[in-house]
Amino acid sequence: QSALTQPASVSGSPGQSITISCTGTSSDVGGYNYVSWYQQHPGKAPKLMIYDVSNRPSGVSNRFSGSKSGNMASLTISGLQAEDEADYYCSSYTSNTTLLFGGGTKLTVL
Amino acid sequence: EVQLVESGGGLVQPGGSLRLSCAVSGFTFSTYWMHWVRQVPGKGLVWVSRINGDGSSTSYADSVKGRFTISRDNAKNTLYLQMNSLRAEDTAVYYCARGGSSGYSFGFYWGQGTLVTVSS
Repeated sequence: QSALTQPASVSGSPGQSITISCTGTSSDVGGYNYVSWYQQHPGKAPKLMIYDVSNRPSGVSNRFSGSKSGNMASLTISGLQAEDEADYYCSSYTSNTTLLFGGGTKLTVL
Repeated sequence: EVQLVESGGGLVQPGGSLRLSCAVSGFTFSTYWMHWVRQVPGKGLVWVSRINGDGSSTSYADSVKGRFTISRDNAKNTLYLQMNSLRAEDTAVYYCARGGSSGYSFGFYWGQGTLVTVSS
């Protein structure tokens, strides 16, 4: 199964908002409300930022929000901060009862 | 405090075997699905496998199906990944991660990872 499709990179200035897309198919993103987003800083383990499309785990800033429309999910980060610079990955449950990641997006804060 | 600590990584020859362990604490282990995820250094995350709370249900990525086996010992609060017939492309950092009470979302907590290198 092919990875979900994410842009390789996005960038934004402090205080701005950015959106990262995650495109799949009706067998994964479009078929289930089980899309998650992870943040990973270099050399660190990933951190869950959003689960079940739009839910934030305890402790995650409300500057992070998630949504989904059809086969595409999105992560929006508002009020961009320097510490948000990291790699971001989406994942989705699939009809094969497996999980699938996106290829990852490098966020640069200018 | 929730902790997940992987161990068992190392250097192994192609065709060899290795068993990874993930010792957990700070939550009721038997209640949650558990997952293995791997990452080639400098590359993206790849989901590997998952197991439900009582060990009766498992899933695998196509790339490891038939070669890897996920299991758990709830009495020891430990998750395992038995890796057989290892290939060079299995070289990666392997993370264990906690799921939710369902099997659909995961990554609420992660270990620090253990490096597996498959090379002659």
